[in-house]
Amino acid sequence: NAGVTQTPKFRVLKTGQSMTLLCAQDMNHEYMYWYRQDPGMGLRLIHYSVGEGTTAKGEVPDGYNVSRLKKQNFLLGLESAAPSQTSVYFCASAQTGGSYNEQFFGPGTRLTVL
Amino acid sequence: KQEVTQIPAALSVPEGENLVLNCSFTDSAIYNLQWFRQDPGKGLTSLLLIQSSQREQTSGRLNASLDKSSGRSTLYIAASQPGDSATYLCAVRPPPGNTGKLIFGQGTTLQVKP
Repeated sequence: NAGVTQTPKFRVLKTGQSMTLLCAQDMNHEYMYWYRQDPGMGLRLIHYSVGEGTTAKGEVPDGYNVSRLKKQNFLLGLESAAPSQTSVYFCASAQTGGSYNEQFFGPGTRLTVL
Repeated sequence: KQEVTQIPAALSVPEGENLVLNCSFTDSAIYNLQWFRQDPGKGLTSLLLIQSSQREQTSGRLNASLDKSSGRSTLYIAASQPGDSATYLCAVRPPPGNTGKLIFGQGTTLQVKP
């Protein structure tokens, strides 16, 4: 099992450019999450999905869109990148949202917006 | 609004020392609390998950306790080793529990010196 994988690992964008981050999991998990991690602020939830075809907003959703067309994939899109979106992005998955389930994290994508 | 705080932000200890990392949260209404480890440039690895009805969990040299009424959790590391050097994050799962959303602290960066 590869677990949770993220593509790409690094990316540099110019302000106004768009891109899509791909998260894939091979554990047949229902729930998937996108977080961003900034220095001194811990991880903050951007969007999440409780199953194929569903998405919901997290704590900091502005400027991002997501899609969950296939159960194993969760895509995070930036339509018009801004320097404030420079961050490390982590994807996570869990079997369910129940309290006994742990979240498993990917290795992260480091994004710089110039 | 739930807030999670970890103090200190950084800690340096000599090898072999027992140490305690602290996590506090403002709202005692949580479903569970998780401790994670993050190595530089890497994703998060789950260490321990404590249900709201539990007082502690143990895994090897790690012991995590939870006191919901006071809004505190501690991660105890016995006989620390240089390989324990990493950032440790705690996260709480607030209601509604079925979404699986986590709220993270900022982390404590631990350095264990040989």
